[in-house]
Amino acid sequence: SQQGEEDPQALSIQEGENATMNCSYKTSINNLQWYRQNSGRGLVHLILIRSNEREKHSGRLRVTLDTSKKSSSLLITASRAADTASYFCATGLYSGGGADGLTFGKGTHLIIQP
Amino acid sequence: GAGVSQSPSNKVTEKGKDVELRCDPISGHTALYWYRQRLGQGLEFLIYFQGNSAPDKSGLPSDRFSAERTGESVSTLTIQRTQQEDSAVYLCASSFPGDRGYGYTFGSGTRLTVV
Repeated sequence: SQQGEEDPQALSIQEGENATMNCSYKTSINNLQWYRQNSGRGLVHLILIRSNEREKHSGRLRVTLDTSKKSSSLLITASRAADTASYFCATGLYSGGGADGLTFGKGTHLIIQP
Repeated sequence: GAGVSQSPSNKVTEKGKDVELRCDPISGHTALYWYRQRLGQGLEFLIYFQGNSAPDKSGLPSDRFSAERTGESVSTLTIQRTQQEDSAVYLCASSFPGDRGYGYTFGSGTRLTVV
């Protein structure tokens, strides 16, 4: 079953606007990660936030985590056409060792209109 | 190489044939994962290797699927007697063991089409 569920499934905005995507999950986690996928191929790791962190920044990306609500958001500021991609959240249950497979959601497809 | 390498990048096979997909992880990444992604869907976990430990095969959808890994290097995913529902992109990823904050590094995937 899916652990992370992204919302919305699709998002279309104008270049320069901010894009916000949300992720909800069901069980306790060790960390939550966001990935980008272009053209249905390999995923690129964007950012990892641990369960004891509330907010993290990386360039134009801002990620928040609310463990009480079991939700996370990814904000992309000043969007560019090159940001057009699918964005996935993935939850990690363990800090290390054992079965460490991340569980991915179905993704949000983001389209940036020029 | 600098990244995770998968081959072939595309594979078209006839229903009932066996296929073998290959993954070369990043050197030093002891953890290796296979995922399947059907068109427009999320990633479905298949199998996880960590060093010399027994692999976690809990995600393999049927006994037609198997995977091997030699030590901490190359892995092969084999699908026997392929079916049309096996058509998907098969993604391999590798990472350092445990949680070092770097996430996974994915290959570009193998797009498998069963006709």
